[in-house]
Amino acid sequence: AQSVSQHNHHVILSEAASLELGCNYSYGGTVNLFWYVQYPGQHLQLLLKYFSGDPLVKGIKGFEAEFIKSKFSFNLRKPSVQWSDTAEYFCAVNAPGGNNRLAFGKGNQVVVIP
Amino acid sequence: GAGVSQTPSNKVTEKGKYVELRCDPISGHTALYWYRQSLGQGPEFLIYFQGTGAADDSGLPNDRFFAVRPEGSVSTLKIQRTERGDSAVYLCASSLSGASTEAFFGQGTRLTVV
Repeated sequence: AQSVSQHNHHVILSEAASLELGCNYSYGGTVNLFWYVQYPGQHLQLLLKYFSGDPLVKGIKGFEAEFIKSKFSFNLRKPSVQWSDTAEYFCAVNAPGGNNRLAFGKGNQVVVIP
Repeated sequence: GAGVSQTPSNKVTEKGKYVELRCDPISGHTALYWYRQSLGQGPEFLIYFQGTGAADDSGLPNDRFFAVRPEGSVSTLKIQRTERGDSAVYLCASSLSGASTEAFFGQGTRLTVV
């Protein structure tokens, strides 16, 4: 079974600062990787995903993530955050060809101060 | 509807009571998932349906939990003899099929057992 680790559960930063959230997974085979975001009072939304191909993935709202297979990592980045990026961010993984069930990390609560 | 719909949005029940939580997936999505999210944690997989059948129920915590999807669309998660530890947000997600496709989440049902 897959498992996902996210560190620094609470992150507070100022607008225009850069953001990087770490995600490490444990699974020996090929994986699909996801970052989901949950804005206050809203449902989980897909930010970006990696299935195959270019390991640098561009998502919505200026986010990107890089898959580094040798490090079992899929870190999320944004060069310059805005107040509207205040949200909880979840990394998730599943095994391709399976039933698509997702294994989530504990999440990062990100607060951007104007 | 345009997205995954879950009802009720909030449910408060007394310990020992029976509850039903409903999920209306996106039209045409054959795969449906239930997850449970406790405070400070990421969503945890409960059960997966492909069509009408429960293809993977390995995440259900015990036999007090049961879910159905009789016509391959709407699903109901049923919890018998509720316990205070069942308090959590119950999330439903749907996807076009089970294999390597994006899952869309509903807003969840917040269950509080008092």
